[in-house]
Amino acid sequence: NAGVTQTPKFQVLKTGQSMTLQCAQDMNHEYMSWYRQDPGMGLRLIHYSVGAGITDQGEVPNGYNVSRSTTEDFPLRLLSAAPSQTSVYFCASSRGRRGFYEQYFGPGTRLTVT
Amino acid sequence: KNEVEQSPQNLTAQEGEFITINCSYSVGISALHWLQQHPGGGIVSLFMLSSGKKKHGRLIATINIQEKHSSLHITASHPRDSAVYICVGSYNTDKLIFGTGTRLQVFP
Repeated sequence: NAGVTQTPKFQVLKTGQSMTLQCAQDMNHEYMSWYRQDPGMGLRLIHYSVGAGITDQGEVPNGYNVSRSTTEDFPLRLLSAAPSQTSVYFCASSRGRRGFYEQYFGPGTRLTVT
Repeated sequence: KNEVEQSPQNLTAQEGEFITINCSYSVGISALHWLQQHPGGGIVSLFMLSSGKKKHGRLIATINIQEKHSSLHITASHPRDSAVYICVGSYNTDKLIFGTGTRLQVFP
Protein backbone atom coordinates (compact mmCIF):
# COMPACT_ATOMS: atom_id res chain seq x y z
CA ASN A 1 0.00 0.00 0.00
CA ALA A 2 1.21 3.48 -0.85
CA GLY A 3 -0.86 4.95 2.01
CA VAL A 4 -1.63 8.64 1.53
CA THR A 5 0.11 10.35 -1.36
CA GLN A 6 0.25 14.06 -2.12
CA THR A 7 1.46 15.95 -5.17
CA PRO A 8 3.27 18.17 -5.71
CA LYS A 9 5.85 18.21 -2.89
CA PHE A 10 6.76 21.83 -3.53
CA GLN A 11 5.00 24.63 -5.39
CA VAL A 12 5.58 28.32 -5.91
CA LEU A 13 2.66 30.43 -7.09
CA LYS A 14 2.18 34.08 -7.88
CA THR A 15 -0.61 35.98 -6.17
CA GLY A 16 -3.88 35.40 -8.00
CA GLN A 17 -2.92 32.10 -9.59
CA SER A 18 -5.01 29.00 -8.98
CA MET A 19 -3.90 25.43 -8.49
CA THR A 20 -4.99 22.05 -7.18
CA LEU A 21 -3.17 20.05 -4.55
CA GLN A 22 -3.73 16.37 -5.12
CA CYS A 23 -4.33 13.80 -2.41
CA ALA A 24 -5.02 10.09 -2.82
CA GLN A 25 -5.25 7.13 -0.46
CA ASP A 26 -5.43 3.42 -1.18
CA MET A 27 -6.68 2.20 2.20
CA ASN A 28 -10.39 2.54 1.39
CA HIS A 29 -10.79 5.12 4.16
CA GLU A 30 -14.04 7.04 4.26
CA TYR A 31 -12.70 10.04 6.17
CA MET A 32 -10.25 12.46 4.60
CA SER A 33 -9.03 15.87 5.74
CA TRP A 34 -6.87 18.77 4.63
CA TYR A 35 -4.76 20.67 7.14
CA ARG A 36 -2.36 23.55 6.94
CA GLN A 37 0.65 23.93 9.20
CA ASP A 38 2.13 27.34 9.90
CA PRO A 39 5.15 28.16 12.08
CA GLY A 40 4.27 28.47 15.77
CA MET A 41 0.75 27.16 15.24
CA GLY A 42 -0.81 23.76 15.46
CA LEU A 43 -2.25 22.04 12.43
CA ARG A 44 -5.53 23.66 11.39
CA LEU A 45 -8.34 21.92 9.56
CA ILE A 46 -9.30 23.41 6.18
CA HIS A 47 -11.93 21.00 4.83
CA TYR A 48 -12.87 17.43 5.44
CA SER A 49 -14.95 14.66 3.92
CA VAL A 50 -16.80 11.77 5.53
CA GLY A 51 -17.30 9.89 2.28
CA ALA A 52 -17.58 10.24 -1.47
CA GLY A 53 -19.83 13.17 -2.34
CA ILE A 54 -19.80 14.61 1.18
CA THR A 55 -17.56 17.49 2.25
CA ASP A 56 -17.66 20.09 4.98
CA GLN A 57 -15.72 23.11 6.15
CA GLY A 58 -13.13 23.10 8.89
CA GLU A 59 -11.66 26.00 10.85
CA VAL A 60 -10.00 27.89 7.98
CA PRO A 61 -11.90 27.15 4.76
CA ASN A 62 -11.79 30.58 3.10
CA GLY A 63 -9.95 30.60 -0.21
CA TYR A 64 -10.10 26.83 -0.64
CA ASN A 65 -12.49 24.43 -2.33
CA VAL A 66 -12.68 20.65 -2.18
CA SER A 67 -14.62 17.87 -3.82
CA ARG A 68 -14.80 14.13 -3.24
CA SER A 69 -15.97 12.27 -6.31
CA THR A 70 -14.29 8.99 -5.33
CA THR A 71 -13.30 7.35 -2.05
CA GLU A 72 -9.63 7.51 -3.07
CA ASP A 73 -9.17 11.15 -4.09
CA PHE A 74 -9.64 14.42 -2.22
CA PRO A 75 -8.14 17.38 -4.12
CA LEU A 76 -7.78 20.83 -2.58
CA ARG A 77 -8.20 23.82 -4.88
CA LEU A 78 -6.79 27.25 -4.27
CA LEU A 79 -9.00 29.58 -6.23
CA SER A 80 -6.87 32.76 -6.22
CA ALA A 81 -3.66 32.31 -4.27
CA ALA A 82 -2.68 34.88 -1.65
CA PRO A 83 0.57 35.24 0.32
CA SER A 84 -1.39 34.30 3.47
CA GLN A 85 -1.81 30.83 1.97
CA THR A 86 1.93 30.21 2.11
CA SER A 87 2.06 27.13 4.29
CA VAL A 88 2.67 23.40 4.42
CA TYR A 89 -0.44 21.42 3.52
CA PHE A 90 -1.15 17.93 4.79
CA CYS A 91 -3.81 15.53 3.67
CA ALA A 92 -4.89 12.79 6.06
CA SER A 93 -7.26 9.86 6.02
CA SER A 94 -8.80 7.64 8.66
CA ARG A 95 -11.01 4.59 8.84
CA GLY A 96 -13.57 6.44 10.93
CA ARG A 97 -14.15 9.78 12.61
CA ARG A 98 -10.91 11.66 13.27
CA GLY A 99 -11.38 11.81 17.01
CA PHE A 100 -11.48 8.08 17.54
CA TYR A 101 -9.37 6.60 14.78
CA GLU A 102 -5.73 6.86 13.85
CA GLN A 103 -5.10 9.34 11.07
CA TYR A 104 -2.67 8.58 8.27
CA PHE A 105 -0.91 11.64 6.90
CA GLY A 106 0.52 12.33 3.50
CA PRO A 107 4.07 13.69 3.14
CA GLY A 108 2.89 17.29 2.74
CA THR A 109 3.03 19.99 0.09
CA ARG A 110 5.11 23.08 0.77
CA LEU A 111 3.43 26.03 -0.95
CA THR A 112 4.89 29.49 -1.35
CA VAL A 113 2.80 32.34 -2.72
CA THR A 114 4.73 35.41 -3.83
CA LYS B 1 -5.72 30.68 23.99
CA ASN B 2 -5.06 27.22 22.60
CA GLU B 3 -7.01 24.59 24.48
CA VAL B 4 -4.07 22.20 24.26
CA GLU B 5 -0.74 23.25 25.75
CA GLN B 6 2.51 21.33 25.52
CA SER B 7 5.69 21.63 27.51
CA PRO B 8 8.50 22.03 27.02
CA GLN B 9 8.55 23.67 23.59
CA ASN B 10 12.11 22.50 23.02
CA LEU B 11 14.01 19.65 24.60
CA THR B 12 17.54 18.37 24.16
CA ALA B 13 18.81 15.11 25.57
CA GLN B 14 21.79 12.81 25.46
CA GLU B 15 21.35 9.38 23.99
CA GLY B 16 20.04 6.97 26.58
CA GLU B 17 18.19 9.54 28.69
CA PHE B 18 14.57 9.13 29.80
CA ILE B 19 12.40 11.83 28.24
CA THR B 20 9.02 13.21 29.25
CA ILE B 21 6.84 15.53 27.20
CA ASN B 22 3.74 16.98 28.82
CA CYS B 23 0.35 17.96 27.45
CA SER B 24 -2.42 19.80 29.30
CA TYR B 25 -5.87 20.59 28.04
CA SER B 26 -8.36 23.09 29.34
CA VAL B 27 -11.68 21.33 28.86
CA GLY B 28 -12.81 17.74 28.79
CA ILE B 29 -11.83 15.64 25.80
CA SER B 30 -13.07 12.40 24.30
CA ALA B 31 -9.61 11.13 23.41
CA LEU B 32 -6.04 12.32 23.13
CA HIS B 33 -3.60 11.60 20.33
CA TRP B 34 0.17 11.82 20.15
CA LEU B 35 1.78 12.40 16.76
CA GLN B 36 5.42 12.40 15.68
CA GLN B 37 6.63 14.73 12.93
CA HIS B 38 10.00 13.80 11.49
CA PRO B 39 12.59 16.40 10.43
CA GLY B 40 11.62 15.70 6.83
CA GLY B 41 8.05 16.73 7.64
CA GLY B 42 6.19 13.42 7.63
CA ILE B 43 3.62 12.92 10.40
CA VAL B 44 2.95 9.59 12.06
CA SER B 45 0.31 8.75 14.63
CA LEU B 46 1.89 7.22 17.76
CA PHE B 47 -0.98 6.76 20.20
CA MET B 48 -4.63 7.39 20.76
CA LEU B 49 -5.87 7.04 24.32
CA SER B 50 -8.85 8.00 26.41
CA SER B 51 -7.73 6.54 29.74
CA GLY B 52 -4.81 4.86 31.43
CA LYS B 53 -1.59 4.04 29.67
CA LYS B 54 -0.37 2.64 26.35
CA LYS B 55 3.08 1.34 25.43
CA HIS B 56 4.71 0.74 22.08
CA GLY B 57 8.35 -0.23 22.14
CA ARG B 58 10.26 2.48 24.00
CA LEU B 59 7.33 4.90 23.92
CA ILE B 60 4.76 5.15 26.71
CA ALA B 61 1.75 7.46 26.78
CA THR B 62 -0.34 8.15 29.85
CA ILE B 63 -3.42 10.21 30.49
CA ASN B 64 -5.03 11.48 33.70
CA ILE B 65 -8.57 12.54 32.90
CA GLN B 66 -9.20 14.21 36.28
CA GLU B 67 -6.08 16.35 36.00
CA LYS B 68 -6.59 16.97 32.26
CA HIS B 69 -3.01 15.95 31.59
CA SER B 70 -1.15 13.51 29.38
CA SER B 71 2.52 12.58 29.16
CA LEU B 72 4.62 10.96 26.49
CA HIS B 73 7.69 9.15 27.76
CA ILE B 74 10.62 7.86 25.74
CA THR B 75 12.90 5.38 27.45
CA ALA B 76 16.53 4.89 26.38
CA SER B 77 16.31 7.77 23.90
CA HIS B 78 18.15 7.55 20.60
CA PRO B 79 19.10 10.18 18.00
CA ARG B 80 16.46 8.72 15.68
CA ASP B 81 13.83 9.87 18.22
CA SER B 82 14.67 13.46 17.25
CA ALA B 83 11.41 14.89 15.97
CA VAL B 84 8.53 17.17 16.87
CA TYR B 85 5.93 15.51 19.09
CA ILE B 86 2.41 16.85 18.83
CA CYS B 87 -0.41 16.38 21.31
CA VAL B 88 -3.96 16.47 19.88
CA GLY B 89 -7.18 16.72 21.86
CA SER B 90 -10.37 15.29 20.44
CA TYR B 91 -13.36 17.29 21.74
CA ASN B 92 -16.00 15.29 20.02
CA THR B 93 -15.83 12.72 17.31
CA ASP B 94 -14.67 15.24 14.69
CA LYS B 95 -13.19 18.31 16.36
CA LEU B 96 -9.46 18.12 16.99
CA ILE B 97 -7.29 20.75 18.66
CA PHE B 98 -3.59 20.44 17.89
CA GLY B 99 -0.83 21.52 20.24
CA THR B 100 2.06 23.46 18.77
CA GLY B 101 4.49 20.62 19.37
CA THR B 102 7.62 19.83 21.36
CA ARG B 103 10.85 19.78 19.40
CA LEU B 104 13.13 17.01 20.70
CA GLN B 105 16.79 16.65 19.79
CA VAL B 106 18.72 13.64 21.04
CA PHE B 107 22.49 13.84 20.71
CA PRO B 108 24.81 10.81 20.55
